[in-house]
Amino acid sequence: DAKTTQPTSMDCAEGRAANLPCNHSTISGNEYVYWYRQIHSQGPQYIIHGLKNNETNEMASLIITEDRKSSTLILPHATLRDTAVYYCIVSGSARQLTFGSGTQLTVLP
Amino acid sequence: NAGVTQTPKFRVLKTGQSMTLLCAQDMNHEYMYWYRQDPGMGLRLIHYSVGEGTTAKGEVPDGYNVSRLKKQNFLLGLESAAPSQTSVYFCASSYSGGVRNQPQHFGDGTRLSIL
Repeated sequence: DAKTTQPTSMDCAEGRAANLPCNHSTISGNEYVYWYRQIHSQGPQYIIHGLKNNETNEMASLIITEDRKSSTLILPHATLRDTAVYYCIVSGSARQLTFGSGTQLTVLP
Repeated sequence: NAGVTQTPKFRVLKTGQSMTLLCAQDMNHEYMYWYRQDPGMGLRLIHYSVGEGTTAKGEVPDGYNVSRLKKQNFLLGLESAAPSQTSVYFCASSYSGGVRNQPQHFGDGTRLSIL
């Protein structure tokens, strides 16, 4: 599976959009980009995933660059409850997920 | 619909004791997984199962055994607990990976301390 690089931490003002970047320059053609988050002391929560097209659901949007070497998770209106560690994972199968250290997002009031 | 339920939520063991962690899911998922998470680190896969009666090793399987006798349950066993196994253990389940790449759904974890 391709390796991912994420910033260690980010801050975002409540009500503003949170844009979380992820670099995956070694991604191969059949690998998906998955995003999970982990709120303190809870199990990871699935957010969204995509292959090459941009995706949107009720939680977030996923923007994947045309060359697929990077992506951005967008939380359109961040709330305090969105404070969590966000994991970007690249994998050819949902069965084989490797969680790195992720990005600690802190939403500030 | 409870999703993924882990039992117990907390446990303290002495070195050398044995115990079994239970994971139950009510979503009729084929795949189930056991992870461990150490402080400040991401999750690491211990074992997983692609169906009733089948199990496979993950990234860090040593010191653990698993069983999947029923589709809805996945058990993680520690035969002789060691302090290095102090961790938070998460169970997850998903539909068949396949081309649909269904996401994993996680339980809330079991916090295990080995003294």
